[in-house]
Amino acid sequence: EPEVTQTPSHQVTQMGQEVILRCVPISNHLYFYWYRQILGQKVEFLVSFYNNEISEKSEIFDDQFSVERPDGSNFTLKIRSTKLEDSAMYFCASVGQNTEAFFGQGTRLTVV
Amino acid sequence: GEDVEQSLFLSVREGDSSVINCTYTDSSSTYLYWYKQEPGAGLQLLTYIFSNMDMKQDQRLTVLLNKKDKHLSLRIADTQTGDSAIYFCADQVLTSGTYKYIFGTGTRLKVLA
Repeated sequence: EPEVTQTPSHQVTQMGQEVILRCVPISNHLYFYWYRQILGQKVEFLVSFYNNEISEKSEIFDDQFSVERPDGSNFTLKIRSTKLEDSAMYFCASVGQNTEAFFGQGTRLTVV
Repeated sequence: GEDVEQSLFLSVREGDSSVINCTYTDSSSTYLYWYKQEPGAGLQLLTYIFSNMDMKQDQRLTVLLNKKDKHLSLRIADTQTGDSAIYFCADQVLTSGTYKYIFGTGTRLKVLA
């Protein structure tokens, strides 16, 4: 069965450092997403990406965040200068023609 | 705005049926999803229903959709201890020409042996 792969599974970083979270979506999927889940809270939408550009972003997705699909397969989320409150589980999702959303296993980001 | 609500906790005995409820607000919903999340793990897609259906059955899972009341439920028959997890309802809405998924707060299901 096709799956979305995220790396690393857990990342610990110091406050102020840059992190890059990586995702390999399902091949031939067209829409890509990043969501986050702060411990014990809702799964929140961050950004959607289609046709090599951001299609929508939430208020959370400020200038510290960026996404790109550098090589046509990987889909990355970069947080430029991490804050303590960025600690969360980050989920990548990809969606194909039938609009079924497949989520990765997540990357647990811990900012210390 | 778009919102999805769920009750936070549900406790059932092993072998009983569990019913997890969800309400949503958006009128442009296309699909509604149920995801399962075990402790420390990712989101596992359990099942989904297209918005023009009112019921879908998949083995022990039954999804009921009342589009008029914007109410979705997930019934798990013969609940097992391995079903203990958090269950998220998610609403797929079309916004700005692309799809977005709005998640509920999650219902923590505890199955008692």
